[in-house]
Amino acid sequence: QVQLVESGGGLVKPGGSLRLSCGGSGFTFSDYYMSWIRQAPGKGLEWLSYISSSGSTIYYTDSVKGRFTISRDNVKNSLFLQMNSLRADDTAVYFCARGQYSGSFYDYWGQGTLVTVSS
Amino acid sequence: DIQMTQSPSSLSASVGDRVNITCRASQSIDTYLSWYQQKAGKAPKVLICAASSLQSGVPARFSGSGSGTDFSLTISSLQPEDFATYYCLQSYSFPETFGQGTKVEIK
Repeated sequence: QVQLVESGGGLVKPGGSLRLSCGGSGFTFSDYYMSWIRQAPGKGLEWLSYISSSGSTIYYTDSVKGRFTISRDNVKNSLFLQMNSLRADDTAVYFCARGQYSGSFYDYWGQGTLVTVSS
Repeated sequence: DIQMTQSPSSLSASVGDRVNITCRASQSIDTYLSWYQQKAGKAPKVLICAASSLQSGVPARFSGSGSGTDFSLTISSLQPEDFATYYCLQSYSFPETFGQGTKVEIK
């Protein structure tokens, strides 16, 4: 069955860095685009970044552009989010999600990993 | 960026009620609109894609409609397991954007 499992969250000081990982299984990872989406405590969903199936096309939302970097390793069935210059308002649960090209929607999501930015 | 305005932000309803949630896009997004249900502490789950296409396994009491800028999600007869927060998402252009969410609570 399809599974997405995030890891790498934790407590980090403002200005620090963290690298999130998302491992995919139960499907051909290289056939799907992937995205990162986050949810601050008690708040709504915020789309962060997209990477195409091959990794050749990438997009970010403005709030993370220049600070976060999305990447993937299709051999290791893994998605990554390198987060630098972290701020308190980056505190959130971070989800990875699998995208369907046909219909442009997210059909599977990971369970999320909590990132807390605090001194 | 395309703004998605979702309403209402919350509603109280009873089991068996018909519930309607709307999303308005700041510009035309054709039918690049999906709906998600999120329960507390869980990941979102897709209900509808392409504005009106019901995902496999989702009960038929859920339906979606609309195109262009105005969309709606309807629950024809609210069930106890439907109490959750619902989000729309536009995928017409990047950055993709979610609506603010609609919390459906028990009356």
